Amino acid sequence: AQKVTQAQTEISVVEKEDVTLDCVYETRDTTYYLFWYKQPPSGELVFLIRRNSFDEQNEISGRYSWNFQKSTSSFNFTITASQVVDSAVYFCALSAPIYNQGGKLIFGQGTELSVKP
Amino acid sequence: NAGVTQTPKFRVLKTGQSMTLLCAQDMNHEYMYWYRQDPGMGLRLIHYSVGEGTTAKGEVPDGYNVSRLKKQNFLLGLESAAPSQTSVYFCASSYISEQYFGPGTRLTVT
Repeated sequence: AQKVTQAQTEISVVEKEDVTLDCVYETRDTTYYLFWYKQPPSGELVFLIRRNSFDEQNEISGRYSWNFQKSTSSFNFTITASQVVDSAVYFCALSAPIYNQGGKLIFGQGTELSVKP
Repeated sequence: NAGVTQTPKFRVLKTGQSMTLLCAQDMNHEYMYWYRQDPGMGLRLIHYSVGEGTTAKGEVPDGYNVSRLKKQNFLLGLESAAPSQTSVYFCASSYISEQYFGPGTRLTVT
């Protein structure tokens, strides 16, 4: 069975602090994709990153960085120098290949990040 | 290029009423999905479609029906709404592995 666990339900930081959101996943597939989405208070889902199971390189995009470690089945997300606009719910998700149940996404429960000025 | 659109954005139903949510995409994607999001939870798959004329059940299909008569449209129907179906509904479409989400429909069943 596939599962995504985001153990941190809520995180509160002060602006300019660094914050890491944890994501642990379970799957028996050898080919899969991992995602992070941001859901701001307005409610839409904003795509942040996709990583396939064969690419363990860390990625940095501005203040955002992602650490993928297959050995620990983790795909953690770090925001450096957090800003108030980063306040949102962040979801980690896992998908099977497109030929397996249409590549459906399995979502974690989400982590609500609150960045205070 | 509108991407994925959903109609309506908000709706209030009384228990037992029926309604249809419409999802449309203009990216010529084969795969389309309906998810629901409940408070404090991630999205859960209701039904999905791998092409025109095909549909399949997801994780939480009970109480819902779907149709994909045209490639660009994926309809989600509630035949007899129940309060447990109060939720935010998201539609998505996909080509390879990345799913593009619509803005969501907030449904309240009283």
